[in-house]
Amino acid sequence: DTGVSQDPRHKITKRGQNVTFRCDPISEHNRLYWYRQTLGQGPEFLTYFQNEAQLEKSRLLSDRFSAERPKGSFSTLEIQRTEQGDSAMYLCASSLVTTWSGNVLTFGAGSRLTVL
Amino acid sequence: AQKVTQAQTEISVVEKEDVTLDCVYETRDTTYYLFWYKQPPSGELVFLIRRNSFDEQNEISGRYSWNFQKSTSSFNFTITASQVVDSAVYFCALATSGSRLTFGEGTQLTVNP
Repeated sequence: DTGVSQDPRHKITKRGQNVTFRCDPISEHNRLYWYRQTLGQGPEFLTYFQNEAQLEKSRLLSDRFSAERPKGSFSTLEIQRTEQGDSAMYLCASSLVTTWSGNVLTFGAGSRLTVL
Repeated sequence: AQKVTQAQTEISVVEKEDVTLDCVYETRDTTYYLFWYKQPPSGELVFLIRRNSFDEQNEISGRYSWNFQKSTSSFNFTITASQVVDSAVYFCALATSGSRLTFGEGTQLTVNP
């Protein structure tokens, strides 16, 4: 297990289509995070899971976005009825947390979404 | 609310020059962590350092050093004798009582040969 894997790396879709991204975290990590990064900006938090429980969602995560982590392992991020403003890099990260300790996130390479 | 400001959008230096990347943060929490991440052209964010709010000791790791000053809410990053491979976007980030990281907008560092 060499790191956080994301698939697909690139996705081009037409406005109105649904897209799904998958993230496989480091296997021993119990937390999984989704961030979004637009060009020239820093990553923005979307949501995170501890095991299979989704513990926090950002206001950025509109009703068209849904994330799941059904068995506490991999996670999916689905965007329904995509809009051009959804074009961004979607980053997944994972961490091992036992107590709150400013945990270090390990990021994947990201899934770049382009909505035409 | 938390905020991280990286005022330098882009910095360009010539190889072997020293360069300092500035980071200023805002938080009302007394317990927090500060981070620096590097994002090379490949896109994957790479962790560089974490400091907690109770440890103001500066840190040096090879050519990298970090200066944490609570009095000015700053956590600056210096690269000594820069190399072309240091070219990347560098992000400063803050974590408080929650789990989310709040990132700055990043500084694009270009090291020219």
